[in-house]
Amino acid sequence: GAGVSQTPSNKVTEKGKYVELRCDPISGHTALYWYRQSLGQGPEFLIYFQGTGAADDSGLPNDRFFAVRPEGSVSTLKIQRTERGDSAVYLCASSLQGPTGANSYEQYFGPGTRLTVT
Amino acid sequence: AQRVTQPEKLLSVFKGAPVELKCNYSYSGSPELFWYVQYSRQRLQLLLRHISRESIKGFTADLNKGETSFHLKKPFAQEEDSAMYYCALSGQRSNYQLIWGAGTKLIIKP
Repeated sequence: GAGVSQTPSNKVTEKGKYVELRCDPISGHTALYWYRQSLGQGPEFLIYFQGTGAADDSGLPNDRFFAVRPEGSVSTLKIQRTERGDSAVYLCASSLQGPTGANSYEQYFGPGTRLTVT
Repeated sequence: AQRVTQPEKLLSVFKGAPVELKCNYSYSGSPELFWYVQYSRQRLQLLLRHISRESIKGFTADLNKGETSFHLKKPFAQEEDSAMYYCALSGQRSNYQLIWGAGTKLIIKP
């Protein structure tokens, strides 16, 4: 079956512009996560959705970052007034459900979107 | 503070030699530890988790609470093991927020 997909795979934008990154999770997975991975670092948690609602957005670095998941499936990460420091690979992951259950929260990752802000 | 440390950015061993990828953590409660692997041009995938106590692709990892470590081991490395390996810890408030180490690049020399 199809895994987690992310579009675009690469995005180059100018400083100050607005970007949207899309994540299409595995069908039936209610939990969705966004991470950011800078060069030479491990992923850094940004936000977690359970269904349509953001259950935890504590990892979003500032109010330029926002994410939505209006129908509980596809999610969009939105970055306003991009800065060069936003350049990173943005990873999306989904899991079958939330924290309960032995294997329910195994996270399946997408290929990532490489964002470059010039 | 919760933290995962992988002290080696790069580890290079010969095929057939034993491998140990180090992971140390800082956590105030009962941790959930994971190893993820990323092969060249592939996405991140779960390799193993400590609660399963399983061996995947010949790899094992034991949680040592006294030493706060979760080292990944394999007795005989194979060339296909070359990849990036990340150790991760589940968040304090729930099981979903993963806190990651910086990763270790493992190179298996023929």
